[in-house]
Amino acid sequence: DAKTTQPPSMDCAEGRAANLPCNHSTISGNEYVYWYRQIHSQGPQYIIHGLKNNETNEMASLIITEDRKSSTLILPHATLRDTAVYYCIVRGREYGNKLVFGAGTILRVKS
Amino acid sequence: GAVVSQHPSRVICKSGTSVKIECRSLDFQATTMFWYRQFPKKSLMLMATSNEGSKATYEQGVEKDKFLINHASLTLSTLTVTSAHPEDSSFYICSARRAGRTSLWEQYFGPGTRLTVT
Repeated sequence: DAKTTQPPSMDCAEGRAANLPCNHSTISGNEYVYWYRQIHSQGPQYIIHGLKNNETNEMASLIITEDRKSSTLILPHATLRDTAVYYCIVRGREYGNKLVFGAGTILRVKS
Repeated sequence: GAVVSQHPSRVICKSGTSVKIECRSLDFQATTMFWYRQFPKKSLMLMATSNEGSKATYEQGVEKDKFLINHASLTLSTLTVTSAHPEDSSFYICSARRAGRTSLWEQYFGPGTRLTVT
């Protein structure tokens, strides 16, 4: 399984874009990049996933570099409710695969 | 849709007793459910995978006789912590994969259960 590296913590001003990086230099061709977040004392919440194209949904955008060795999750207008731990996970989509969480990035959105 | 509930949300039990945690998929059927535990300020650790109607598969280092998992129906999985000790105090989270779906992201998490063993 490809290993991911994320900064332990980041701060972001309310209303500004939050850009959360993730390095996954050993990613293989059939592995997707998944992002989840966990607000304090809650279960994780799915945000977005992608293979090689950039993706956008109502929550966030995912930018994957052309060589797929890194990606960035973008929250376009961060709010205080976006304060959470953000997890970048790289896994193949085969049925037997399981979500395995690393340390993640603590994002603190400040007013 | 895709709501997963856990019951109870918090439980306090005495050392040596057993406690059962329920995980339910409310609006979908789940052939596979997962159980995680999370210590304070730590990441989630996958404990086991349960498939409806069959025995659970435990991750390395997880005691299957201590953490009994039952997945008797397509909407319910239970985790029983037997002979609980203070070191079992943790946040237990389940997730459920929608039946017939194979995509990893189609896995929905419950809100978690805070277990405190005194």
